[in-house]
Formats: sequence, structure tokens, C-alpha cells
Amino acid sequence: SQQGEEDPQALSIQEGENATMNCSYKTSINNLQWYRQNSGRGLVHLILIRSNEREKHSGRLRVTLDTSKKSSSLLITASRAADTASYFCATVPSGSRLTFGEGTQLTVNP
Amino acid sequence: DGGITQSPKYLFRKEGQNVTLSCEQNLNHDAMYWYRQDPGQGLRLIYYSQIVNDFQKGDIAEGYSVSREKKESFPLTVTSAQKNPTAFYLCASRPGTRGFFTGELFFGEGSRLTVL
Repeated sequence: SQQGEEDPQALSIQEGENATMNCSYKTSINNLQWYRQNSGRGLVHLILIRSNEREKHSGRLRVTLDTSKKSSSLLITASRAADTASYFCATVPSGSRLTFGEGTQLTVNP
Repeated sequence: DGGITQSPKYLFRKEGQNVTLSCEQNLNHDAMYWYRQDPGQGLRLIYYSQIVNDFQKGDIAEGYSVSREKKESFPLTVTSAQKNPTAFYLCASRPGTRGFFTGELFFGEGSRLTVL
């Protein structure tokens, strides 16, 4: 079974708006990662947040982690059409395996 | 440039045939992974290898086989025993194998297998 579950499954916004995606997970984690996948391509790592961190920023990305609620959110500010992609959260429920959620499909309309 | 190369990008197979997907990396990474992705879904782990000549089953290993004879290479064979092999297959790697998974995965561009 998938460790992470993203919400919403699909999100459509206008260019310039912010996009927020959420991820919930089931077991304790060492870290949580977010990846991006353009249609028909491989995944690209965006950001990693450790279990002892609450918030992390990278450019237009902001990730939060609430270990008490077993949840994380990814915020993309001032979205662009090029941000259109699927976004996945991934966690490490056991040592050497990274488990992915089902993803959020983000569409940014120009 | 360093990276992960998967081939072929597209592959068609008749039912009953085995097919091997290639994954090569020149990143000097120790661990390599194979994931399967079905339309609109997340990634499911098939097999992974943390060191040469050693590999472990993931969540959906039935009908698949792998080998890790060289650090750079981790081919995946989809056998005729795999009941529904049509999918997008992704290979990934990461440096280091000790302790918890603390780093990121690097992915190839994927191989799309279609069974006719």
C-alpha cells in the first residue's frame, strides 16, 4: 500500500496564483521528499525536509511538515505555465526504500 | 554529463515474450531501483539493489527479474509470468546505502512497455 497520499488529485489554477498540495502519510519517517514529473518523463527531486524540520524553502517552493499530524504541504508561489506537472510526495517508512504517493496533477493555465 | 540512461524508450511485446529493459548510470551510485507506474498512479517498487551482486524484492516483484553484475547496470526483465506488464518503467539511483534513506533519488527518463 502507498505510504503517502496526496490531496487534491488534480488542481487547476491561473498563472500567477499560488498552488498548494498536501500529503499525508501513515508511519513515522526520517524525511519526506517532493518530486515533480512532467508528462511522460522521469521524476525530478524538488526538496527534502527532515523529520526535525518544520518548514523549508527553495526558490518559489515552500514545504511544511507536521509530524504530529503526519502531513506535509508543498506551496508553489506565483505559478507559471511551466509548473504544469504531476507532483509526488515520498517517504521512507523503512531504511532503504522510498515510497511514493499517487500524486497531484497540477495544471497552470496561461 | 552524468546521469541515468534507460533504453529503449518505447517497447512493444507480444504476449508470452520476455523483454529486458536497460538501465545504466555513470553517477557512481551504489543503490539502484526499478519502479512501475500505471496511468494516473504513483510509483510502485519492483526491485532494488544496494550493492553489486545483491538485490531485494520490492512490493510487486512477481513476474520480474533483475541482475546487478556491475555497479553501473541494473537491467530489468519482464517475464511472461507478469500478467499485466503494460506500464511505464522508471529506473533510479542514489549514492550510499548505509543507514536511513537520507538523500534524493535520481531518475532516468523511463521506458514505456506495451503488450500487444
